[in-house]
Amino acid sequence: DAKTTQPTSMDCAEGRAANLPCNHSTISGNEYVYWYRQIHSQGPQYIIHGLKNNETNEMASLIITEDRKSSTLILPHATLRDTAVYYCIVRGDTGTASKLTFGTGTRLQVTL
Amino acid sequence: KAGVTQTPRYLIKTRGQQVTLSCSPISGHRSVSWYQQTPGQGLQFLFEYFSETQRNKGNFPGRFSGRQFSNSRSEMNVSTLELGDSALYLCASTYGTEDEAFFGQGTRLTVV
Repeated sequence: DAKTTQPTSMDCAEGRAANLPCNHSTISGNEYVYWYRQIHSQGPQYIIHGLKNNETNEMASLIITEDRKSSTLILPHATLRDTAVYYCIVRGDTGTASKLTFGTGTRLQVTL
Repeated sequence: KAGVTQTPRYLIKTRGQQVTLSCSPISGHRSVSWYQQTPGQGLQFLFEYFSETQRNKGNFPGRFSGRQFSNSRSEMNVSTLELGDSALYLCASTYGTEDEAFFGQGTRLTVV
């Protein structure tokens, strides 16, 4: 699976949009971009995933660049409960579906 | 529906002992994966089971083993515990090979 690079930490004011970037320049054509988050001392929580098109669900939006070398997770209206470590993961579509390679992630701090 | 259930939540063991951790996946999910999370190494993949067969294995010594039962419940065992085995052990389940993984709350193991 391709390696990802994320900023170590970010701050966001409550109510504002949080935009979390991820670089995955070595991604191959059949690899998906997944986002998970981990709130302190809990198990990681699935947020969203995509292949090449932008995706949106009730939690977030995922914007993937046309060349697929980077993506951005957008939390449209961040709340204090969104404070967590966010992991961007690139995952192949066959054989390794449950073998996720977590990097160091981005620690998002949402403040009043 | 119920999420992934891990038992026990907390455990304290002595060096040299062995430990067995349990994971009950979401009903209908057939794949179970195990991860170890430590402050120094982050989240690392241990192994994955699908239909009672180990499909993938991470880079851990043979002291770490697992199994899956016919009802998809899984156990992992660590023998001859070392201080460095102190960690949060997380279990994740997926329905099939292509789906997102759902994590349990983890078992926090402390080896003294």
